[in-house]
Amino acid sequence: KNQVEQSPQSLIILEGKNCTLQCNYTVSPFSNLRWYKQDTGRGPVSLTIMTFSENTKSNGRYTATLDADTKQSSLHITASQLSDSASYICVVSARGNNRLAFGKGNQVVVIP
Amino acid sequence: AAGVIQSPRHLIKEKRETATLKCYPIPRHDTVYWYQQGPGQDPQFLISFYEKMQSDKGSIPDRFSAQQFSDYHSELNMSSLELGDSALYFCASAIERGGRGTDTQYFGPGTRLTVL
Repeated sequence: KNQVEQSPQSLIILEGKNCTLQCNYTVSPFSNLRWYKQDTGRGPVSLTIMTFSENTKSNGRYTATLDADTKQSSLHITASQLSDSASYICVVSARGNNRLAFGKGNQVVVIP
Repeated sequence: AAGVIQSPRHLIKEKRETATLKCYPIPRHDTVYWYQQGPGQDPQFLISFYEKMQSDKGSIPDRFSAQQFSDYHSELNMSSLELGDSALYFCASAIERGGRGTDTQYFGPGTRLTVL
């Protein structure tokens, strides 16, 4: 079973609308959680990184939340733009090593 | 800002041939990670190096080897290539912070390897 589960697998939203992506993880002991944006055929680009003590972190129109008790995170995209069309990957790191556990990604398509 | 550089960006090989992928980390980054991402798959960790020493090993086949050089660039050597090796190979770099764990891993654009 994958240690990082993301939902929804894919979604289509209208330009200008907001959306929220979910990530549940079982990685333990927990070190940090990152959200990456990956365009097709390109390398993932880091959006946010949060440690155990952080509940929310913003990067422009992207806002990530973390509930370390329930092992859940969300990524909220505000006022979506066409360039937001990409796969958003939740990545969790275990304490002790920096090996990353990747989610399958949320495929977001923004349409005009 | 300088990013992670990978070369070549695309590579086509035939079965049983060898391939060498190169990764140049962000300046002052001392740790390099290699990942393999098959079509429609999430990246699978292969191997990592910190200060030119192998620091962790994942699902890297015995046919593959890697090393990190004195200038911190890394090379992934792949021999006896198989059709299943066709994938996007990512390199990521980070700062190890004295071995206590790293900051964000910054990914390169990837090398797309196609084995015919």
